Amino acid sequence: KQEVTQIPAALSVPEGENLVLNCSFTDSAIYNLQWFRQDPGKGLTSLLLIQSSQREQTSGRLNASLDKSSGRSTLYIAASQPGDSATYLCAVNTGFQKLVFGTGTRLLVSP
Amino acid sequence: DARVTQTPRHKVTEMGQEVTMRCQPILGHNTVFWYRQTMMQGLELLAYFRNRAPLDDSGMPKDRFSAEMPDATLATLKIQPSEPRDSAVYFCASGLVAGHSSYEQYFGPGTRLTVT
Repeated sequence: KQEVTQIPAALSVPEGENLVLNCSFTDSAIYNLQWFRQDPGKGLTSLLLIQSSQREQTSGRLNASLDKSSGRSTLYIAASQPGDSATYLCAVNTGFQKLVFGTGTRLLVSP
Repeated sequence: DARVTQTPRHKVTEMGQEVTMRCQPILGHNTVFWYRQTMMQGLELLAYFRNRAPLDDSGMPKDRFSAEMPDATLATLKIQPSEPRDSAVYFCASGLVAGHSSYEQYFGPGTRLTVT
């Protein structure tokens, strides 16, 4: 059974710092991996999707990497801003678009 | 700006009542998903559809939950009878699968259900 873990569970940083969020999964047989952002009381917003054949994807200040063989992905946020404060979730696609979600990292960026 | 819509956004009901949640997926998407989010369990997949056909509902308590897609623009999740342990946020998501490629899933804003 696929299990997805995110470390750390919570992170607090001052504005401007670069930071890395980690996601690990137990079964490397995945089709793709997706990073989401969730604001309190809101739905999920897709940030990046990495196909299993890719190593990384970039969108603005966000960069996500994937090492399928070791079961790891990282989300790098450059020059963090208070508006980046949210919970970040990774999810692996185990087939037929079935997503298994991680437990999330709650990020707080203080001014 | 295409997005997944869900109604109602909030629902408070008494134990034993029937609850129906509705979802309009993004036009052109061929897969629809229902998820439930709680503090204890996080996000769990309840059921999903491809081209309106149910593919997997193994995450759903079958005795009280049912999911349907009457047409391509409407997905429903029904709980009958509802119980306090069903209190959660229910998300609908839609996505596109084409050949061997699958793309991002897009989530609706959720229905916050409280069963008293």
